[in-house]
Amino acid sequence: GENVEQHPSTLSVQEGDSAVIKCTYSDSASNYFPWYKQELGKRPQLIIDIRSNVGEKKDQRIAVTLNKTAKHFSLHITETQPEDSAVYFCAASWEGAGSYQLTFGKGTKLSVIP
Amino acid sequence: GAVVSQHPSRVICKSGTSVKIECRSLDFQATTMFWYRQFPKQSLMLMATSNEGSKATYEQGVEKDKFLINHASLTLSTLTVTSAHPEDSSFYICSARYTEAFFGQGTRLTVV
Repeated sequence: GENVEQHPSTLSVQEGDSAVIKCTYSDSASNYFPWYKQELGKRPQLIIDIRSNVGEKKDQRIAVTLNKTAKHFSLHITETQPEDSAVYFCAASWEGAGSYQLTFGKGTKLSVIP
Repeated sequence: GAVVSQHPSRVICKSGTSVKIECRSLDFQATTMFWYRQFPKQSLMLMATSNEGSKATYEQGVEKDKFLINHASLTLSTLTVTSAHPEDSSFYICSARYTEAFFGQGTRLTVV
């Protein structure tokens, strides 16, 4: 089955700096890679996702890049703000024939220091 | 956007009792729902895939007789933790796929 590795496990940045979180996956058949933000005691919220036919996607201060050959994808947050502080999870899945099972990375606790 | 509602959000039960958690897709039909367990400061671990009208598919190491899943309609899946013990205390989250995966609010189960 799929295995997703995520690094780092914790990340502290100064407000205004950039944050980068990296993930690798093992199953070359995976074709969907979402990123979730989870605040303490809350449900995960999708912040951005990318499919295997795209190399990069950007949404305001958030971007995701995908390298299918190396089987890794990264989350980039620019101009970080204190409200970006949360746990971020990457995930991977193969989507087809009604299959949408996600495999999550272990998470990165991001702390943005004012 | 699509909404997945999970109930209850918190429950405290005595050891040996059973607890039922409901997961509803409010504005879409979900033939498949997923149940996750999350320990403090850890990731979401898939417990089982709930399939409408058929048996759930459990992940390796998850006791199907302990975690009973019923998906009787296209908008409702239930997880029953039977004969709960303190080690079952955890955060349980369901999800259903629409345009993306939508998660329920989660249920904080505490077994005393």
